[in-house]
Amino acid sequence: DADVTQTPRNRITKTGKRIMLECSQTKGHDRMYWYRQDPGLGLRLIYYSFDVKDINKGEISDGYSVSRQAQAKFSLSLESAIPNQTALYFCATSEGAIETQYFGPGTRLLVL
Amino acid sequence: SQELEQSPQSLIVQEGKNLTINCTSSKTLYGLYWYKQKYGEGLIFLMMLQKGGEEKSHEKITAKLDEKKQQSSLHITASQPSHAGIYLCGADGNTGKLIFGQGTTLQVKP
Repeated sequence: DADVTQTPRNRITKTGKRIMLECSQTKGHDRMYWYRQDPGLGLRLIYYSFDVKDINKGEISDGYSVSRQAQAKFSLSLESAIPNQTALYFCATSEGAIETQYFGPGTRLLVL
Repeated sequence: SQELEQSPQSLIVQEGKNLTINCTSSKTLYGLYWYKQKYGEGLIFLMMLQKGGEEKSHEKITAKLDEKKQQSSLHITASQPSHAGIYLCGADGNTGKLIFGQGTTLQVKP
C-alpha cells in the first residue's frame, strides 16, 4: 500500500463550489505539506503543518484553507473555487526539517 | 527569499547520449533534493545532498553539490527512454520547507 495517499485523484468542479482534497499517510511523520503544480512554475507551497496543532501559510495560501485532523490526515479546502485554481495538487510528508519529503500521487483539479 | 533556477528548461537527447541538468540557488543550500516526475504523476525521490562537494550515484544518475553549496548538477549517463520525464530540484533553506525549481523536461528519442 502507498505510504501517502490522496483523494480524489481527479476532480472537475464549477466556479464558486467548495471542494476538499484529502491526504493520508502511514509513515508516522509529523510534518505534512500541500503543494500545487502549474506548467512552467514548478511546485509551490500552499500550507504546511509541523504537527497536529500547527498550521502555517506557504507561498500561495490565498483562497485555500487546511485542516490537520490527526497526525496522519491533512486536508486542503477551496472555499469558493475559481478557474485559476486548476492545477495538479500534491500532498507530502517528512520526518523532520532536513529530511526527504515523500509525495502522494497528486490530485488533478479542473475548475470550470 | 531563496529561489532555485534550473537549466535547461527542456532537453531532447538521442538515446545513449549523456546529459546534465543544473540547479542554482540564490542562497546557501542546506539540503538539495532531486525528484523525477512522469508527466502528470507523482514525484519520485532520487537523491538528497547535504555536504559541500558531495556526490551520489544511483544506477546511471549522478548528482553533485558544489563546494559552496549553491549549485547542484544531475548527470545521466547513456540515457534511455525510461529516463524521460520532468526533473525537479528542491531545496531546504533551513526553514523546514522545500522550495522547488521550475523543472526540466527531458525527452529521450529512441
